Amino acid sequence: GQQLNQSPQSMFIQEGEDVSMNCTSSSIFNTWLWYKQDPGEGPVLLIALYKAGELTSNGRLTAQFGITRKDSFLNISASIPSDVGIYFCAGHLNLNTGTASKLTFGTGTRLQVTL
Amino acid sequence: DTGVSQNPRHKITKRGQNVTFRCDPISEHNRLYWYRQTLGQGPEFLTYFQNEAQLEKSRLLSDRFSAERPKGSFSTLEIQRTEQGDSAMYLCASRMNKADTQYFGPGTRLTVL
Repeated sequence: GQQLNQSPQSMFIQEGEDVSMNCTSSSIFNTWLWYKQDPGEGPVLLIALYKAGELTSNGRLTAQFGITRKDSFLNISASIPSDVGIYFCAGHLNLNTGTASKLTFGTGTRLQVTL
Repeated sequence: DTGVSQNPRHKITKRGQNVTFRCDPISEHNRLYWYRQTLGQGPEFLTYFQNEAQLEKSRLLSDRFSAERPKGSFSTLEIQRTEQGDSAMYLCASRMNKADTQYFGPGTRLTVL
């Protein structure tokens, strides 16, 4: 099935550094979501974006809904060891036609934080 | 805990056996989704329920897979005659009718030997 392009694929950073990752799609979405997944667990919702150009923060996390509706960005400031995990973007297109409005996920960015 | 729950968390089975997984969504959520996630990939959509009606199925859902949501609350996903390629994490998610955000359960990890 379709997966969105997410980059970087993985990154090693030092504690305290800022992190940026992005997600691109060949088609538009009207909602972008960012999830974090720990090993053996389900994805946990971090941030939801509902409007093109929107910039939303949740603590040290900031995400933006790209103006073209085909991309989104996630920034983590002052990383800490518990930020370790896999970050997934997900796009959602609600057509109000009774269809599933399923999420299409990115390929993930694996973040590792060293002390 | 009022989040999405899934049982069992882990299942090991031999090829050819049938398995069934259960999902209990957040209580006021009438929409329920099943996804499958293989190692190193993001989750992929399998099927969707609005209340008890199964409204959409992915082409990933072969004839050996069946899902039900008989009373519009919990859902079950059954895989018949399991194959090694069915080994994956099976995730359930739910959402409210007019919200776009889906909340995921912890998943059931299936290993087919």
